[in-house]
Amino acid sequence: DGGITQSPKYLFRKEGQNVTLSCEQNLNHDAMYWYRQDPGQGLRLIYYSQIVNDFQKGDIAEGYSVSREKKESFPLTVTSAQKNPTAFYLCASSIEIPRRTQYFGPGTRLTVL
Amino acid sequence: RKEVEQDPGPFNVPEGATVAFNCTYSNSASQSFFWYRQDCRKEPKLLMSVYSSGNEDGRFTAQLNRASQYISLLIRDSKLSDSATYLCVVTAEGASGGSYIPTFGRGTSLIVHP
Repeated sequence: DGGITQSPKYLFRKEGQNVTLSCEQNLNHDAMYWYRQDPGQGLRLIYYSQIVNDFQKGDIAEGYSVSREKKESFPLTVTSAQKNPTAFYLCASSIEIPRRTQYFGPGTRLTVL
Repeated sequence: RKEVEQDPGPFNVPEGATVAFNCTYSNSASQSFFWYRQDCRKEPKLLMSVYSSGNEDGRFTAQLNRASQYISLLIRDSKLSDSATYLCVVTAEGASGGSYIPTFGRGTSLIVHP
């Protein structure tokens, strides 16, 4: 089946550790995105990529890093520099043109202890 | 990128009621508009795109008013299963140019009760 997968669904890490969240899509979409959602809040854009080997910072990129080595994959690393990493992380993809309708993966809940 | 604003609610309505949400946006150059539905602790799912001429999908009707810079979602004959958070999304050109970035509103919570 076509879709977007994120793993793991739940992730627990100790403070000071880097952690990488996986996002894979087989929809043949050009663009991929990472969002963070905190309780009662909207989605905030962390990074996005419109094409392989290229990505752009979103509104809250500090403390995060990404790579886009393959069209299907867009992993997000939450580094120890991110001051408040506990959140719900959502990955999305879209056809780049014309309307950029986004489709989301099921999300990863990261808790830093 | 400019903001997208929604009334957070909650809107608490009985089954069978008609309810409407509005979403305002500040960037007049916005290109694409969407409504998503998000259930508690789940990912957002596309409900419908919003077109200039307005569009309807069963009990759901979406409208775009470019002059006043808002979009609306009307739900008729509300069902218990409509209880969720409804997110407004507006896409506009990014600061670097050539890329169109979706901006999400914070969402409007709907509770449909028996």
